[in-house]
Amino acid sequence: DQQVKQNSPSLSVQEGRISILNCDYTNSMFDYFLWYKKYPAEGPTFLISISSIKDKNEDGRFTVFLNKSAKHLSLHIVPSQPGDSAVYFCAANRNTGFQKLVFGTGTRLLVSP
Amino acid sequence: GAGVSQSPRYKVAKRGQDVALRCDPISGHVSLFWYQQALGQGPEFLTYFQNEAQLDKSGLPSDRFFAERPEGSVSTLKIQRTQQEDSAVYLCASSPRVAQAREQYFGPGTRLTVT
Repeated sequence: DQQVKQNSPSLSVQEGRISILNCDYTNSMFDYFLWYKKYPAEGPTFLISISSIKDKNEDGRFTVFLNKSAKHLSLHIVPSQPGDSAVYFCAANRNTGFQKLVFGTGTRLLVSP
Repeated sequence: GAGVSQSPRYKVAKRGQDVALRCDPISGHVSLFWYQQALGQGPEFLTYFQNEAQLDKSGLPSDRFFAERPEGSVSTLKIQRTQQEDSAVYLCASSPRVAQAREQYFGPGTRLTVT
């Protein structure tokens, strides 16, 4: 049972344009959502997060939007840069227990010059 | 400062062998997680330590998997009698405080291949 889903395995975008990565979740108990970025042969690195009490969080070129009613979140990268090429994982957790992360399967973003 | 380190980075084991994977978390981090990432999948939770206490091991796939963190710092994940389905990248993550375990710092992982 995949509780966090990233239905697009890959995305190609031109440099300077917007990248939009999508994520859906099924567990209504999730109340905190994170995006991680992963380069080959490295561990995931934290990028940006959002609490369920917000619908938007912005950090520089990265913005995460949360639509609780649709159980959907998205990561916008504007403008996209070649160095953003990586695998992006959406993750979620609950504010109970030990806050273990539940990850999606990832979206590979390729930003071409 | 140093990040989370893991060793070995790559391990090839013959089916039936035992393996031990090491994680050195960021100094002073209270929370430590182990995840398993199969090819083409996202990381999946295995187990969680708060200091030396293993508080959640619900993700360990079988009793062949065992983890410890005896002094509340370095952790070892041991897999006995490895099987081909154990082939994956094993990721360790740490977090400075229990209340902020949400934002976890990951190591580079150990890629285990069972032949």
